[in-house]
Amino acid sequence: DVKVTQSSRYLVKRTGEKVFLECVQDMDHENMFWYRQDPGLGLRLIYFSYDVKMKEKGDIPEGYSVSREKKERFSLILESASTNQTSMYLCASKSGLLTDTQYFGPGTRLTVL
Amino acid sequence: GQNIDQPTEMTATEGAIVQINCTYQTSGFNGLFWYQQHAGEAPTFLSYNVLDGLEEKGRFSSFLSRSKGYSYLLLKELQMKDSASYLCAVSPLGGNTPLVFGKGTRLSVIA
Repeated sequence: DVKVTQSSRYLVKRTGEKVFLECVQDMDHENMFWYRQDPGLGLRLIYFSYDVKMKEKGDIPEGYSVSREKKERFSLILESASTNQTSMYLCASKSGLLTDTQYFGPGTRLTVL
Repeated sequence: GQNIDQPTEMTATEGAIVQINCTYQTSGFNGLFWYQQHAGEAPTFLSYNVLDGLEEKGRFSSFLSRSKGYSYLLLKELQMKDSASYLCAVSPLGGNTPLVFGKGTRLSVIA
């Protein structure tokens, strides 16, 4: 079974703090993604990566950065957290096959106070 | 441009059949996925369609018409545990291209 894990289920941070969200997958997938999900807005893509050290901006990259130093790990960084970044953050991975689905991690509910 | 539309909310009765529709307009098409997401949990894969027609998997079926840019998810013999959001997602181009997601349809199953 594919497993995508995220470092925390719940996280509370203060405005201005630097926040790291970690995601690890064990299926040797090339592609990894970070989304945020908010009520009424659905899943919105922040960044994705199709290879080690490669990254592409998604629909809402402002205020975020990412790092992919190893194939299995994709980190999302909030350089200076703000209250409007309070959200559910979901990581996903996918192989390069057209027919393959994305596999999601359990999510991190981040609250910025 | 990329646009995926699905109803925001639906309600259905336990034991009944419900159809959740999805229409899409995307630059390129390599298949359509349906996911189920229970409140507070991650989306999980339900089905994938790339050719026109109906794919059946137990109580769940998914239909695709590429010429109409249309899909639906059919849930039969509804159970309370089917209360969840259902997300439609299109694979635009290439295996390394992110899926484009609809906003999801929240289904409530009532007794």
